[in-house]
Amino acid sequence: DQQVKQNSPSLSVQEGRISILNCDYTNSMFDYFLWYKKYPAEGPTFLISISSIKDKNEDGRFTVFLNKSAKHLSLHIVPSQPGDSAVYFCSIGTASKLTFGTGTRLQVTL
Amino acid sequence: DAGVIQSPRHEVTEMGQEVTLRCKPISGHDYLFWYRQTMMRGLELLIYFNNNVPIDDSGMPEDRFSAKMPNASFSTLKIQPSEPRDSAVYFCASSQREGVDTQYFGPGTRLTVL
Repeated sequence: DQQVKQNSPSLSVQEGRISILNCDYTNSMFDYFLWYKKYPAEGPTFLISISSIKDKNEDGRFTVFLNKSAKHLSLHIVPSQPGDSAVYFCSIGTASKLTFGTGTRLQVTL
Repeated sequence: DAGVIQSPRHEVTEMGQEVTLRCKPISGHDYLFWYRQTMMRGLELLIYFNNNVPIDDSGMPEDRFSAKMPNASFSTLKIQPSEPRDSAVYFCASSQREGVDTQYFGPGTRLTVL
């Protein structure tokens, strides 16, 4: 029973366009929300997070949106760049435990 | 700082053999995590330590898996006996504070059990 789901295993976007990655969760008690990025042969690296009391957090080209009523988290990348091609994991949970999604492989094409 | 160090980077072994994965966390980090990544289940938390003490091992799949942290700078994950379904990439991560603080991941160990 997966409490954190990324239903799109892969996504292809043209350079300069917007990339939207989605994540759904089931436990309304979850109050920590993060995104990690992973390149091949490397470990995941922290990308951006959002406080449970906010619905939007922006950092440069990256914006994370949180809809707590829908239990939905999304990451927007605009404009997308070839260097953004990687696997993106959402990480959601409580102060004592985070659960990662299965990841979405983003490919940004020229 | 060199970051989280894991060894070996690749391990190929035969079913039934003992496998030991090693991790050196970032100095000063009090929390250490072991994860397993598979295509089907993504990144799964196996176990985490706080100040060298195991706090939550509910993710350890079965008794064949064990983890230790004898001191603040070293941890091991052991699989004995190994099985083909254990083939995965195993990551170690460390953080300064409990789970929600930014975790710094090592490069991972790719384990293949034949």
